Amino acid sequence: NAGVTQTPKFQVLKTGQSMTLQCAQDMNHEYMSWYRQDPGMGLRLIHYSVGAGITDQGEVPNGYNVSRSTTEDFPLRLLSAAPSQTSVYFCASSANPGSGANVLTFGAGSRLTVL
Amino acid sequence: GQNIDQPTEMTATEGAIVQINCTYQTSGFNGLFWYQQHAGEAPTFLSYNVLDGLEEKGRFSSFLSRSKGYSYLLLKELQMKDSASYLCAVADSNYQLIWGAGTKLIIKP
Repeated sequence: NAGVTQTPKFQVLKTGQSMTLQCAQDMNHEYMSWYRQDPGMGLRLIHYSVGAGITDQGEVPNGYNVSRSTTEDFPLRLLSAAPSQTSVYFCASSANPGSGANVLTFGAGSRLTVL
Repeated sequence: GQNIDQPTEMTATEGAIVQINCTYQTSGFNGLFWYQQHAGEAPTFLSYNVLDGLEEKGRFSSFLSRSKGYSYLLLKELQMKDSASYLCAVADSNYQLIWGAGTKLIIKP
């Protein structure tokens, strides 16, 4: 049982480049989300999805795109990387998006540096 | 606005007890979570409180007072492996999680 798998673990980009962070889960979770984690700040929600074909914006969506064509996969695309997008990115999923006990399972994280 | 406050850093001694506080102001409340995050790793779930009172789970306990907008995580019999950041998060009226910045706990021998 792999849980939530994120790739790549590390990436260095130049300003203006684009890339996709991959996220896959094998727990049949309906809810998937992307967070960024920056020093001194709480996790911030970028985008989320409550099921295949459904996506919505979180707190900090600008500069990022997502799609959810299958239950398992939820890639995050950086359209034109900026230094402000240097961060650690976490993908997380859960089985019960509309309930209080919405326990998230996180991927191992992707550390992105934009020069 | 929505806000979660927790201390930035705490230090404790191996074998002792430490209490990490979390205060919150959110639009609605659908539960409070504590996650543990070791350096360079992903957060992992520790506890969930939705009703007032104390939830005990082994060496870890979590307390909630909804009227005071307050929670704490109590760690007993501290071990070196408990050195980590502890994240407090509140589910708001839309069940979206609002996260605190985390408390870095340093355990000294």
